[in-house]
Amino acid sequence: GQQVMQIPQYQHVQEGEDFTTYCNSSTTLSNIQWYKQRPGGHPVFLIQLVKSGEVKKQKRLTFQFGEAKKNSSLHITATQTTDVGTYFCAGERGSTLGRLYFGRGTQLTVWP
Amino acid sequence: DTGVSQDPRHKITKRGQNVTFRCDPISEHNRLYWYRQTLGQGPEFLTYFQNEAQLEKSRLLSDRFSAERPKGSFSTLEIQRTEQGDSAMYLCASSSLNRGDYEQYFGPGTRLTVT
Repeated sequence: GQQVMQIPQYQHVQEGEDFTTYCNSSTTLSNIQWYKQRPGGHPVFLIQLVKSGEVKKQKRLTFQFGEAKKNSSLHITATQTTDVGTYFCAGERGSTLGRLYFGRGTQLTVWP
Repeated sequence: DTGVSQDPRHKITKRGQNVTFRCDPISEHNRLYWYRQTLGQGPEFLTYFQNEAQLEKSRLLSDRFSAERPKGSFSTLEIQRTEQGDSAMYLCASSSLNRGDYEQYFGPGTRLTVT
């Protein structure tokens, strides 16, 4: 089963609106990674967060890692149609380094 | 193309048959991972290798599944006596620890359909 929970499962927004997806783990993570998968494609790495409370930005995307290293979020400001896809968080635990536990993903649809 | 490649891209087989998939990672990557993904789900870890050593195998992986990476380069994933529940996309990914880079680079996947 899923070790990492991710919500919402689906999000439909109008172009220009903001979007946020949340990720939660029952256990402390050593790091968390975010991936994007376009329809019909394969997951593509976006970013990795390692430090407690870390915040990273990539243009319109803002990634946060919680203080307890159990939760994370991805926020997209002013969505564009090119943002369409499924966003996955994937956590790595200290006891099983190398193994990623993926969330179920949030499927983002953006209409013009 | 220097990305991760997988072969075949699609496989249709009858229940009970054996299938084998191949993954060629990015050449300098020492880690190789296998995942399974079904519709509406995230990739589910199956196993991973560091060079030729298989370091971890998911408990979800039954004895019908086996993976090898004999020379620390390409890898094969074999499924014996396939079942309809094995129908999924099988993804391979690779990464390099040498640079302290944990990013996993995914291949296009092999879509398996068991009839």
